[in-house]
Amino acid sequence: DAGVTQSPTHLIKTRGQHVTLRCSPISGHKSVSWYQQVLGQGPQFIFQYYEKEERGRGNFPDRFSARQFPNYSSELNVNALLLGDSALYLCASSPTGAGVAEQFFGPGTRLTVL
Amino acid sequence: GQQVMQIPQYQHVQEGEDFTTYCNSSTTLSNIQWYKQRPGGHPVFLIQLVKSGEVKKQKRLTFQFGEAKKNSSLHITATQTTDVGTYFCAPFQGAQKLVFGQGTRLTINP
Repeated sequence: DAGVTQSPTHLIKTRGQHVTLRCSPISGHKSVSWYQQVLGQGPQFIFQYYEKEERGRGNFPDRFSARQFPNYSSELNVNALLLGDSALYLCASSPTGAGVAEQFFGPGTRLTVL
Repeated sequence: GQQVMQIPQYQHVQEGEDFTTYCNSSTTLSNIQWYKQRPGGHPVFLIQLVKSGEVKKQKRLTFQFGEAKKNSSLHITATQTTDVGTYFCAPFQGAQKLVFGQGTRLTINP
């Protein structure tokens, strides 16, 4: 079975632009979470979606938004990009929406903001 | 919210030496997970601990959860070059929010 897939793998944008990152969870997984990992640090939680509903939100500005589609894939949108948004954006899927469960991470999208 | 501190931040060992990383919290944790991230890779789940004093082993890796559930450790016996990477501890907070520590980066001299 395929793991979590993310697209694109790399992206270069300039300040003020908008970006959309995409994630397809493992087949059968209904929960998708997004994390931001700045170089040299641990991943920081951005959002969790389960059954198309937002179940959790981290401490990120409103420029960050996300949604989950009926097929459980997800998009992360970031508006008005800042230099500090440069990071690896990780998507993780899980079979359940609640409770302690192993998170399966995708390879990430490396975003560079110039 | 829950925050965890990991020590050391960096560790360099000779191949064959043992390695230990510690994860400490000021608050009681209901659970903790450990992940490994290879250079240029993504976090990969290693183990989950939920019981006070729990010890779990995976081949050369030993994971412990403290009696007070405020700390955890990962010990690797006789490191191999394949062990290179950053090891993160991460408790769950709320729904499915992982709160990652800053990680311990392990490098190995062959």
